Amino acid sequence: NAGVTQTPKFQVLKTGQSMTLQCAQDMNHNSMYWYRQDPGMGLRLIYYSASEGTTDKGEVPNGYNVSRLNKREFSLRLESAAPSQTSVYFCASSLDSYTGELFFGEGSRLTVL
Amino acid sequence: GENVEQHPSTLSVQEGDSAVIKCTYSDSASNYFPWYKQELGKGPQLIIDIRSNVGEKKDQRIAVTLNKTAKHFSLHITETQPEDSAVYFCGGSNYKLTFGKGTLLTVNP
Repeated sequence: NAGVTQTPKFQVLKTGQSMTLQCAQDMNHNSMYWYRQDPGMGLRLIYYSASEGTTDKGEVPNGYNVSRLNKREFSLRLESAAPSQTSVYFCASSLDSYTGELFFGEGSRLTVL
Repeated sequence: GENVEQHPSTLSVQEGDSAVIKCTYSDSASNYFPWYKQELGKGPQLIIDIRSNVGEKKDQRIAVTLNKTAKHFSLHITETQPEDSAVYFCGGSNYKLTFGKGTLLTVNP
């Protein structure tokens, strides 16, 4: 069982470039999330999808878009990357909504120059 | 929205000692409080959680206590071991989960 798989693990972008972070889970979970982790800031929710076909903004959604492609996959897109988006990004999933265990991927480290 | 404060930001203990990490929350409607452990280079992993209808929960060397009146909850690790060294995050949830900023725990052999 792979759990939550994120790609790529590392990426370097120039300011203004676009990219998509991919996330897939094989646990048949309904809910999926994207977080960013910055030193001293903890984990901040960017977007989440409570169920297939729905997406909602989290705490820090500006500069990002998401797509819940199907029940397994939830992608995060940076349309025009900025240095402030340099961070480690984590995808997570849970059986449903928030009052249950989140299963995290191993993270994607993004550097924007 | 919910605001979760976590203290201390760093904690260093000797192997075998106990470690305590404290969190406070602002939303009285929050009813679920998980604790996650993050080892270097990995994603966070749930280690214990507690719901608002319970005051204390234990799992071997770890325990969590919840005081709803004061809106604070704590993680207790007894007989610490070097493998307990990690970053620990608390969370508070009433549908949306908000994390504290994390505590770097170092257990010195």
